[in-house]
Amino acid sequence: GQNIDQPTEMTATEGAIVQINCTYQTSGFNGLFWYQQHAGEAPTFLSYNVLDGLEEKGRFSSFLSRSKGYSYLLLKELQMKDSASYLCAVRDSNYQLIWGAGTKLIIKP
Amino acid sequence: ETGVTQTPRHLVMGMTNKKSLKCEQHLGHNAMYWYKQSAKKPLELMFVYNFKEQTENNSVPSRFSPECPNSSHLFLHLHTLQPEDSALYLCASSQQGGTGANVLTFGAGSRLTVL
Repeated sequence: GQNIDQPTEMTATEGAIVQINCTYQTSGFNGLFWYQQHAGEAPTFLSYNVLDGLEEKGRFSSFLSRSKGYSYLLLKELQMKDSASYLCAVRDSNYQLIWGAGTKLIIKP
Repeated sequence: ETGVTQTPRHLVMGMTNKKSLKCEQHLGHNAMYWYKQSAKKPLELMFVYNFKEQTENNSVPSRFSPECPNSSHLFLHLHTLQPEDSALYLCASSQQGGTGANVLTFGAGSRLTVL
């Protein structure tokens, strides 16, 4: 079967750096997505990786290793507003999106 | 209005009621989706419409009935629901085809409680 694994919950301190990991086993690979979802709000698109390596967007970076079936989302200079759930999703060979259950990130002052 | 809007934001219904969820997208996208989001579970794709034609139905019970009258509007008609159907129902849209990443844009969801 197809599977996406990410930690259920993480806690970090304001101003610090946190890395949220995502490992996947899917039938083929056509890209990996990260979304952010604040409580009671819509998931919003953060990043898309289809080739190996690091994609940087301001304080957020996303890394992909297709050979290892692994990605991470790196958040720097954490702010209280970064408290949210982070969803990892992989598009498989049939262009279906396979979703992880999300990682709830709690930022403490 | 911009993006994807969903109404109502909250809905409480009994198991014998009939209600509908509405979604509207203002992005000119050609595909629309219904997802179910339950606590601590992955998003579950329910239905996909492309240019008003249903292209996917993920074995969803018939008590959920989608309707897509045009490429901007999507409804989810609900009847005879069960308490386990209580969840957040998310609508999304995207531009399928071409060379883009086909990124989904989500609405804020309709929180459904079935008593």
